[in-house]
Amino acid sequence: ETGVTQSPTHLIKTRGQQVTLRCSSQSGHNTVSWYQQALGQGPQFIFQYYREEENGRGNFPPRFSGLQFPNYSSELNVNALELDDSALYLCASSFGQGMSTDTQYFGPGTRLTVL
Amino acid sequence: QKEVEQDPGPLSVPEGAIVSLNCTYSNSAFQYFMWYRQYSRKGPELLMYTYSSGNKEDGRFTAQVDKSSKYISLFIRDSQPSDSATYLCATPKAAGNKLTFGGGTRVLVKP
Repeated sequence: ETGVTQSPTHLIKTRGQQVTLRCSSQSGHNTVSWYQQALGQGPQFIFQYYREEENGRGNFPPRFSGLQFPNYSSELNVNALELDDSALYLCASSFGQGMSTDTQYFGPGTRLTVL
Repeated sequence: QKEVEQDPGPLSVPEGAIVSLNCTYSNSAFQYFMWYRQYSRKGPELLMYTYSSGNKEDGRFTAQVDKSSKYISLFIRDSQPSDSATYLCATPKAAGNKLTFGGGTRVLVKP
C-alpha cells in the first residue's frame, strides 16, 4: 500500500449535481496531483497543488477545482456534473516541489458514476 | 495524434513467457519515462523510471528507451499470473512531475 487514501470508494450522482472527492496524502508529502481515468484509458492530469497553491493545471474546465490543506489532505470539487465526468479519479502525492524526478504515489481512486 | 500511445491489447501470454510492451511518444523534448502497473480496482504503482536512451534492469523487468525512434519498451521475463494487470507508460511532458499517460496495455498471463 502507498499510504495514500481516498474517499469515498464509489459515488453515484446525477447530471448537474456537485461532488467533492477527498484524498489523504502519504505522510510528509507536500505535493498532490489529481487525475481522471475514463474506463479503458490512461489517467489524464487535472491539476497539482504544492503547499496549498495550485501548481499547474491540465486541460479541464473551471468547474473542476481543488483545495489542499495544511495537513496535506486535499479535495477535488466538480460542479455541474456531466455524463462524461464518469470516471475513476486518482490522487497522487509526492515529496518535493513537483520535480520531474519526484515519484508519485497513487491512491486507489474514487469511482464516480454520473447518471 | 496523442502525445503518448500504447496498443490497448489485451496481450495474452503463457506463464514463463517474456512480455513485451511498447509505447511511442510524439515530442522529442520528453526526457523522463515511467512504467506503471495498475491492477483492477487499484491505483497505478511505479515499476520503472528511466532517463535518456538505453536499458535499465530491475529484477525481471527491463525498460528500454530509444530516443531516435521515440519508442520506449518494457520487458517482463519469466512472467507470472500475478503480472496480469494493465501497464501504463508515462512521461512528464513539461517541467515538473505532471504526467501524461498512454492508454495502457492490458496483460493476461495464463497459468
